[in-house]
Amino acid sequence: QVQLVESGGALVKAGGSLRLSCAVSGLNFGDYYMSWIRQAPGKGLEWVSKISTYGTYTDYAESVKGRFTISRDDAKHSLYLQMNSLRAEDTAVYYCATERFRGSTWFAPWGQGTLVTVSS
Amino acid sequence: EIVLTQSPATLSLSPGQRATLSCRASQTVNSFLAWYQQKPGQAPRLLIFDASSRATGIPARFRGSGSGTDFTLTISNLEPEDFAVYYCQHSYSWPWTFGQGTKVEIK
Repeated sequence: QVQLVESGGALVKAGGSLRLSCAVSGLNFGDYYMSWIRQAPGKGLEWVSKISTYGTYTDYAESVKGRFTISRDDAKHSLYLQMNSLRAEDTAVYYCATERFRGSTWFAPWGQGTLVTVSS
Repeated sequence: EIVLTQSPATLSLSPGQRATLSCRASQTVNSFLAWYQQKPGQAPRLLIFDASSRATGIPARFRGSGSGTDFTLTISNLEPEDFAVYYCQHSYSWPWTFGQGTKVEIK
């Protein structure tokens, strides 16, 4: 059974930093692209960042570019999101998700999420 | 950036009825569209990929259709566990985006 478990969410002051982790089990982690997707309280979903296999390619939403860094450790089956210069608008539940593709790309499965709250 | 507009924002229906949810793209996304279901306090769950292919374990009452700019998720014979928020997501061009969601609530 595939499981993704996020951790690292916390209450942090604006301008601060936080590192999220996502531990993956039940699949060959190194074979998959991974993404972080967030959801502000009561709002919809926003893709944040992605990383390719071997970490050779990364990309970011404009809203976080230059502040967030995605990385992975295939030996530890783990995905990370380093978040710096946090803003109030970064407050959200952050989900890690496995990317699947066959022409198009979709996300499955997702972790249960970890809450990041940025106080202004 | 391609904008996905979902309608209606809220759908009030009774168990056993049919739900028809719309997702319209600001430009073509071919068939590069997925649908997700999210229940309160839970992560989204994939329902449909490639516009019309059901994900593993998804009941046949969920059906996706459409291509280009207009897509529909149909849930026939609503079950109590189907009342949730539904999102569409495209992967046609960068950046991938989600619709704002349609809430299917019990009438």
